Formats: sequence, C-alpha cells, structure tokens
Amino acid sequence: TQLLEQSPQFLSIQEGENLTVYCNSSSVFSSLQWYRQEPGEGPVLLVTVVTGGEVKKLKRLTFQFGDARKDSSLHITAAQTGDTGLYLCARAISGTYKYIFGTGTRLKVLA
Amino acid sequence: GAVVSQHPSRVICKSGTSVKIECRSLDFQATTMFWYRQFPKQSLMLMATSNEGSKATYEQGVEKDKFLINHASLTLSTLTVTSAHPEDSSFYICSASKVRGRDAFAGTSGNYEQYFGPGTRLTVT
Repeated sequence: TQLLEQSPQFLSIQEGENLTVYCNSSSVFSSLQWYRQEPGEGPVLLVTVVTGGEVKKLKRLTFQFGDARKDSSLHITAAQTGDTGLYLCARAISGTYKYIFGTGTRLKVLA
Repeated sequence: GAVVSQHPSRVICKSGTSVKIECRSLDFQATTMFWYRQFPKQSLMLMATSNEGSKATYEQGVEKDKFLINHASLTLSTLTVTSAHPEDSSFYICSASKVRGRDAFAGTSGNYEQYFGPGTRLTVT
C-alpha cells in the first residue's frame, strides 16, 4: 500500500507547548513533503525531505525523515496560535508524478 | 514566485446545473495541473491529472463525464462539474507543476514542487 497515515488526527494544546506529528507508510518513498493548510485556503509547502535520516529546521519547526524512508515527523517547539491548521504530509506515487496526501493532523493551539 | 489562482473562490449553484472552476498559473507555464477534492476536516483526494494539450487522466472512482477537465493552454486548466448534485458540494483545489509528466519518470520522481491554488468552495443546493 502507498497510504500515508498521520497521527495524531487531532491535537489541541496550549501556547508554548511542544508537539510532534507523525507520518507513516509501509512502503519506502523517495521524498516527502509537509504542508500546512488553513481553513478555506490551499495547502502551503513547508519543506521537502529527500535523504533518509535527514533533518531540516524551519524556525520552530523540525522535520525528520526516517532512516528507512518510510516515516517522517514534524516537531513544533513552543507552539503559537499562528501554528493552528491542518498539517499534511504528501509523497509521490511510485513510478508516477502524482502525489498522495496523508490523512492529516488538525492542530489547534490555544492562547 | 509561482502563483496559482482559482476562480471563483466560492460558488453556489442549483442541482442539475453545471459549474466551471478555473485554475491559472500566473507567473509560470504549467505543463501539468492536478485537481483535488477535499471534504470538511479531511485530507486532499486527487481527482485527476491534466497535461496541456492532452486528455486528463482520472483517478479510480472519479467520473470523467461528470468532472470535465480541459487544459487548453500552459496557464489554464478548467474543471466543470456537470449536472451538479448536493453530494458534489466540496472544496476543490488545483495545483500546478512546471514538470511535464514524463520528465518526472527520468530520475528523481517526486522531487519537484506542486504549487497550490487557494481553492474553490462549491455548494450545490
């Protein structure tokens, strides 16, 4: 299967807390993207990870690609209310140029 | 930059009518465009892929006669929902890529970007 499972589905935390979102697949993929989507808008690309074990940082966001390239995580440090949104991972379907999206994690950061 | 626009942003139509949604790449040529559908609080589901100058390819379960896609130029793709039904109410999002489909096969497939439009909220009454 080339499904992408994300966990948790929903997360509600207080401002200042840390959190981690996971994206898992049973198959290996060549690259993975993370997006954030706000209500009524299209997804916005946050990062693309390509190499197994790769870690990328984007301000308070840290993205990691698993060594086996089957999983990825997004860690947010000191969450802010502006981090609220739907976080989606996405990967290319093997042998095609199409992407499939993960099941999504809906994050709500409370003031 | 790589900006993609959609028009309209919101549309309400009556059952049985057809509605057209436009997706435009404003500052680049989009050889491939993708159409997604998103139900409330759910993820994006790929509906179809359109390559400029050729027929769209539809994902399994998507009715091509109901969701007509036209990609007549390198900057415009349209999705027409025909004989709309309340079940068609959804958020439709397009994305555009600079890479032609076959180019992505030759090497690092998946390492190109898709640029997303802001979406179109369709409500069928």
